[in-house]
Amino acid sequence: AQSVTQLGSHVSVSEGALVLLRCNYSSSVPPYLFWYVQYPNQGLQLLLKYTTGATLVKGINGFEAEFKKSETSFHLTKPSAHMSDAAEYFCAVTSPAAAGNKLTFGGGTRVLVKP
Amino acid sequence: GAVVSQHPSWVICKSGTSVKIECRSLDFQATTMFWYRQFPKQSLMLMATSNEGSKATYEQGVEKDKFLINHASLTLSTLTVTSAHPEDSSFYICSASGGPGEKLFFGSGTQLSVL
Repeated sequence: AQSVTQLGSHVSVSEGALVLLRCNYSSSVPPYLFWYVQYPNQGLQLLLKYTTGATLVKGINGFEAEFKKSETSFHLTKPSAHMSDAAEYFCAVTSPAAAGNKLTFGGGTRVLVKP
Repeated sequence: GAVVSQHPSWVICKSGTSVKIECRSLDFQATTMFWYRQFPKQSLMLMATSNEGSKATYEQGVEKDKFLINHASLTLSTLTVTSAHPEDSSFYICSASGGPGEKLFFGSGTQLSVL
């Protein structure tokens, strides 16, 4: 079984400040890891993903995440927050063996950006 | 890029009526589709996995007679909420992939409000 824990259901950052969203996973097999963003009343948009290869993954909108196997983590960062980054962010895990890319989601972190 | 269309985006219905939500893959064949439910300020809960031409696989605690899923073609899956009640009010999201290892795409979601 796989699981995802996102530390902090709410994060408040100032515009221009670093955004750090924490994600830890549990998986008995090598994981595929994802970060999704959800804007109000919308579906999900993929920010970035890690499957294999380089452990530092760059995504859209200036976000990046680093897969650290020893820490079972996949934290999401952005050097400088923008007002448009206010949204809910979900970390998710699956594995190559999971049927049809079945995802397990973390609880989500809501980001508030202060001017 | 591939698009998943979900319709309607918003529906209000009376208690006791049934509501059908459609999820279409517009430019790829989706062998597997997933249906998620999201309560306000919470994460996404996987309801069921839908494979074309076969019965859906429901997650534990999800009533299959309440949430009817049909995946009759490689581009269309439907979720029917039967005899809807106010507690069924939620945001429902579908996702689709072309198969194991293929990218997963999400619909824009359906906000269901049962009066």
